[in-house]
Amino acid sequence: GAVVSQHPSWVICKSGTSVKIECRSLDFQATTMFWYRQFPKQSLMLMATSNEGSKATYEQGVEKDKFLINHASLTLSTLTVTSAHPEDSSFYICSAPRSSGNEQFFGPGTRLTVL
Amino acid sequence: ILNVEQSPQSLHVQEGDSTNFTCSFPSSNFYALHWYRWETAKSPEALFVMTLNGDEKKKGRISATLNTKEGYSYLYIKGSQPEDSATYLCAFRTGANNLFFGTGTRLTVIP
Repeated sequence: GAVVSQHPSWVICKSGTSVKIECRSLDFQATTMFWYRQFPKQSLMLMATSNEGSKATYEQGVEKDKFLINHASLTLSTLTVTSAHPEDSSFYICSAPRSSGNEQFFGPGTRLTVL
Repeated sequence: ILNVEQSPQSLHVQEGDSTNFTCSFPSSNFYALHWYRWETAKSPEALFVMTLNGDEKKKGRISATLNTKEGYSYLYIKGSQPEDSATYLCAFRTGANNLFFGTGTRLTVIP
């Protein structure tokens, strides 16, 4: 299967700082990537769709000014959590579909803890 | 937000036992149903993508069935092994690429 990497795998930061998470498709190009978030005991929830060369689309209730998404190339999307607060502590995971087929390939996720 | 439910939430089985769990999803606007296997600290691994009502797919000891009319899918594991221990996620897709996930079934296989 295809490989998607995510960095960092975990991060602890102080309240008010910004944190950048990278998602890379290592062996295929992805014009679209997806960012999900999972709070404890809940399901993975889509936050936003990252589109190469254009603006990201955000799901209802997700603040676009707080969660900045940049899809800089066909293999890299970044999610920046700006002015992080403890309630942003969560597990963030990205996925990318290959242009052919129905499968989506996931990164291993990033555990964010905001103190 | 679409409601995708998985049961049971967690399951302990003895090595060698066969087991199955359920994913239920809305029966309208169906495009595909995905099953993933997710081990801690790793990426979710795609098991199956099912698109047709009545579909049955198999990968080694793992198989899945799909009923889109009543909105459920079963995942079966035959002769469970300790390495099958993981969380099994299902995700419902309506047509766009985004997936609506269940909360998963956490399987522990006891040696």
